[in-house]
Amino acid sequence: EADIYQTPRYLVIGTGKKITLECSQTMGHDKMYWYQQDPGMELHLIHYSYGVNSTEKGDLSSESTVSRIRTEHFPLTLESARPSHTSQYLCASSGAGGETQYFGPGTRLLVL
Amino acid sequence: GQNIDQPTEMTATEGAIVQINCTYQTSGFNGLFWYQQHAGEAPTFLSYNVLDGLEEKGRFSSFLSRSKGYSYLLLKELQMKDSASYLCAVWNAGNMLTFGGGTRLMVKP
Repeated sequence: EADIYQTPRYLVIGTGKKITLECSQTMGHDKMYWYQQDPGMELHLIHYSYGVNSTEKGDLSSESTVSRIRTEHFPLTLESARPSHTSQYLCASSGAGGETQYFGPGTRLLVL
Repeated sequence: GQNIDQPTEMTATEGAIVQINCTYQTSGFNGLFWYQQHAGEAPTFLSYNVLDGLEEKGRFSSFLSRSKGYSYLLLKELQMKDSASYLCAVWNAGNMLTFGGGTRLMVKP
C-alpha cells in the first residue's frame, strides 16, 4: 500500500483567493504528478516532476503552478481561484523506474 | 498523439465473468496499466503488462497484445464491490501515463 497524502481533502473557497493543495509521500519516490479529474471524466495530467527542482507541464493546460523543493513534497498553487478551477485534483508518485503510479486520496475543490 | 479507447459502460451479474477491452494507439509504448476507481475515490493500481500474454492476479487477469494495440481486463466471480470505473492507461515513450476515459462497470445482483 502506498503512503501518499493530500490535504485538504475538501475545499470550498471564494473567487480570487490564493490556494495551495498539499501532496506528500513517504516512499522516497523521485517522480510525482498532479492530475485533474472532473466527475465521471478522464484523468488529465497537469504537472509532473522527475526530482527536486524539476517541474514540467502536462498534457492539459492549467493556470496552476507547482514546486518541488523537497523529494517528499509537491504542492500545487492557484494564485487566484476561479469557478472554472472547480474539480478534483489527484496527486501521484512513482519510483525510479517510473512505472506504477500510486495515487493520493485527492482534493475536491469547489470555487464559488 | 495518443488515443486510448474503452467502452463507456458495462453491466454484469454478480458471480459472472466480465471482460473490459482497451485499444490504444500511442507514440511509443512501455507498458499498459489497469486501475480501479470507485466513485469519488482515487484510482488504485490493479495490473501492469509490458510483455504479450496474460497476467493473473486472483480474480483479476489482464491480457496484452502489443502487435494489435489491445488489452483486456478480465474479472471473475464478480462481486457487488467490483462496481467501479476501470481505467486503461498506457505508459508511453515520454515516460508518462495517458489514461483512457474509463469503463464504468455496474454489477447487479
